[in-house]
Amino acid sequence: EAGVAQSPRYKIIEKRQSVAFWCNPISGHATLYWYQQILGQGPKLLIQFQNNGVVDDSQLPKDRFSAERLKGVDSTLKIQPAKLEDSAVYLCASSLSGGYGYTFGSGTRLTVV
Amino acid sequence: SQQGEEDPQALSIQEGENATMNCSYKTSINNLQWYRQNSGRGLVHLILIRSNEREKHSGRLRVTLDTSKKSSSLLITASRAADTASYFCATGDDYKLSFGAGTTVTVRA
Repeated sequence: EAGVAQSPRYKIIEKRQSVAFWCNPISGHATLYWYQQILGQGPKLLIQFQNNGVVDDSQLPKDRFSAERLKGVDSTLKIQPAKLEDSAVYLCASSLSGGYGYTFGSGTRLTVV
Repeated sequence: SQQGEEDPQALSIQEGENATMNCSYKTSINNLQWYRQNSGRGLVHLILIRSNEREKHSGRLRVTLDTSKKSSSLLITASRAADTASYFCATGDDYKLSFGAGTTVTVRA
């Protein structure tokens, strides 16, 4: 089966600019996650969708981050405006439902200068 | 927080040796999962062990879970250069996972 697709693979922007990341999960996976992974750390959950509804966005900095999942399939994560501390790898993952292993995409490496 | 903590932070072994890493967590869990991350790549799911299980095997991997001690271990037997990666434990309920900071394993040829 095809994996989780993410784009772009790399992005370099200046602080205060905006950026968007795209994720296409595995077909049939109802649950989609966005994680932020800062260098040397483990992934931190930003937002979790079940179909197209938000299950958990408690760690999403909502003043600058937003995410949506259209029709319960693809998802986009946006940062506006970006700060230097947003430099990280943004990972998208999907799973059939809770209690199953996650399939991760390759991530988008964001550098804010 | 359900976040697991891996120990050691880093591990260097010779090819052919076994590698063991541990994960400790604080609250009750439904399942514990181990993932591998090669440099610059996404995470790959290795194994899931549920709270009512004590041991699971998958190829050269062996995972144990002791819920009374709130700890788990991952053993990689007969390591290979391709096992060089970071390994993360993830603890959770049936809704979400929390990841630790990982153990970086280097396998020397």
